[in-house]
Amino acid sequence: QKEVEQNSGPLSVPEGAIASLNCTYSDRGSQSFFWYRQYSGKSPELIMSIYSNGDKEDGRFTAQLNKASQYVSLLIRDSQPSDSATYLCAVKGWAGTALIFGKGTTLSVSS
Amino acid sequence: SQTIHQWPATLVQPVGSPLSLECTVEGTSNPNLYWYRQAAGRGLQLLFYSVGIGQISSEVPQNLSASRPQDRQFILSSKKLLLSDSGFYLCAWSVSGDTEAFFGQGTRLTVV
Repeated sequence: QKEVEQNSGPLSVPEGAIASLNCTYSDRGSQSFFWYRQYSGKSPELIMSIYSNGDKEDGRFTAQLNKASQYVSLLIRDSQPSDSATYLCAVKGWAGTALIFGKGTTLSVSS
Repeated sequence: SQTIHQWPATLVQPVGSPLSLECTVEGTSNPNLYWYRQAAGRGLQLLFYSVGIGQISSEVPQNLSASRPQDRQFILSSKKLLLSDSGFYLCAWSVSGDTEAFFGQGTRLTVV
């Protein structure tokens, strides 16, 4: 059974701080890794994708991947109250396999 | 550009009634299509995914079924709904291979 694990939170950070979200996965054959943001009552929206070991930066967001440790993380710099949402980690294996999601981490940014 | 349409947005159905949710994608060909369910306070559970017409993979045994009658159409069905079928149903698509998936707006189903 392929699993994606996330700390459910809530993770609370003050406005302007760095929020760090973590994710581990069980399938060593996983090839692609994604972070989604989901506001309450809405569908998930893609924030970042990462495919190789190391860091990938996009604006205030940085995704980090360590395949040896089977670990993915998302850093949000200068956190804003509008970043308050549930963040979903998703992992995909080889072509033809489905995207598997973790249960999400709820982030709360206080002003 | 590609768009995904999912309807209806909300649905209230009695126990034992049938269900049909439809999802269509525009602006791309031969997409991978997915149905997920999110129960209240829970994560996204993969129900079905399809890599082509007539090709459906089921992840969780249940009283739901899926069909893909056309390249860009994905339908989720049930003959008799259970209370436990309540949840937020999400259709998603991806180009293929290892690419990211994009979600429709979702259908919030309440079985009463």
